Amino acid sequence: DQQVKQNSPSLSVQEGRISILNCDYTNSMFDYFLWYKKYPAEGPTFLISISSIKDKNEDGRFTVFLNKSAKHLSLHIVPSQPGDSAVYFCAAYANTGNQFYFGTGTSLTVIP
Amino acid sequence: DAMVIQNPRYQVTQFGKPVTLSCSQTLNHNVMYWYQQKSSQAPKLLFHYYDKDFNNEADTPDNFQSRRPNTSFCFLDIRSPGLGDAAMYLCATSRDRRHSNQPQHFGDGTRLSIL
Repeated sequence: DQQVKQNSPSLSVQEGRISILNCDYTNSMFDYFLWYKKYPAEGPTFLISISSIKDKNEDGRFTVFLNKSAKHLSLHIVPSQPGDSAVYFCAAYANTGNQFYFGTGTSLTVIP
Repeated sequence: DAMVIQNPRYQVTQFGKPVTLSCSQTLNHNVMYWYQQKSSQAPKLLFHYYDKDFNNEADTPDNFQSRRPNTSFCFLDIRSPGLGDAAMYLCATSRDRRHSNQPQHFGDGTRLSIL
């Protein structure tokens, strides 16, 4: 039972445009959400997070939006750069539990 | 200044031959995790240590064991690898188990191949 889903395995965007990566979850107990970025042959690196008490968190070009009623979060990258090309994983955590749940990832390609 | 280091990066073993993967951290984090990730799938938690307290996931096969001799090191032992165990194995750490906005820090993984 995949509690965190990323339904788009891949996404291509022109350099300078906005990239929007989506993530859906099923467990209403999740209260902390993260995005990780993974380059080939490297481990995931933390990108940005959001607590369930917020609906938006921004860090430079990266913004995460959380819609609790829809159990949906998204990562916006503006403007997209070729160096953003990587696999992006969404993850969620419930403070009542003790593990992160990951999505299957979305491979982003930013075309110069 | 790598903070979570996994060795080796690539490991090839024979079907049924025991193999050990290692992970070390310089972050002095209390929690260390082992994940298995297969192609196009989400990382799957195998187990984690909170300090010396071992926590096994219910669906982790008995074939997988772990040791944490000290805060810095954690090992994943696969006693009798099968072809289905070929995967990327990721080690991660976090400061505490109750995360409160604390992300996990991952190593670069060990790619395990089974002949």
